[in-house]
Amino acid sequence: ETGVTQTPRHLVMGMTNKKSLKCEQHLGHNAMYWYKQSAKKPLELMFVYSLEERVENNSVPSRFSPECPNSSHLFLHLHTLQPEDSALYLCASSRDYKDTQYFGPGTRLTVL
Amino acid sequence: AQSVTQLGSHVSVSEGALVLLRCNYSSSVPPYLFWYVQYPNQGLQLLLKYTSAATLVKGINGFEAEFKKSETSFHLTKPSAHMSDAAEYFCAVSDPAGNQFYFGTGTSLTVIP
Repeated sequence: ETGVTQTPRHLVMGMTNKKSLKCEQHLGHNAMYWYKQSAKKPLELMFVYSLEERVENNSVPSRFSPECPNSSHLFLHLHTLQPEDSALYLCASSRDYKDTQYFGPGTRLTVL
Repeated sequence: AQSVTQLGSHVSVSEGALVLLRCNYSSSVPPYLFWYVQYPNQGLQLLLKYTSAATLVKGINGFEAEFKKSETSFHLTKPSAHMSDAAEYFCAVSDPAGNQFYFGTGTSLTVIP
């Protein structure tokens, strides 16, 4: 138990669907992160929020839209995805921005 | 600028043998260094971290890593591999000012019975 939970654990969606991934941290941290992990590729940092403000956005397509309503919750809204977006999406949190990161179990996303 | 390099994307060892996973970093300032482990279908779990205290860092599951400034290395070791150690291992580096945090590309460890 790392204190970071993600739902759902598995998601299958069509290219025209709209879905959201949820991340919740119970560690009292101030920063939260979204990563994409594809097979045989390095971990890709997508978004970073610190104190509920977005501080980093690494050229992610607009079909991915993050939302951080408070320091404990982070969402990733998905719409009109492509098959190449199929991957494991990992959420992480840290006490402060760029501090030690603690990861959730991930959401395995498959886009048909 | 900082970066981290993990030599060997795949490492195989026999059960009971020494595990050595290599990580080299480049950093303009003394860095913080981390090792994470990822078991199949799970997120990353922190194994250990170096934050400028003792150069030999002990982590969970019998792993340890030694910070060697002269070699810019932070290799992960375990004296005796267990089947349950089979996983993906990631090295990461950040600078104490918190300006950057980078993960390596990962090393997949296979343990042969």
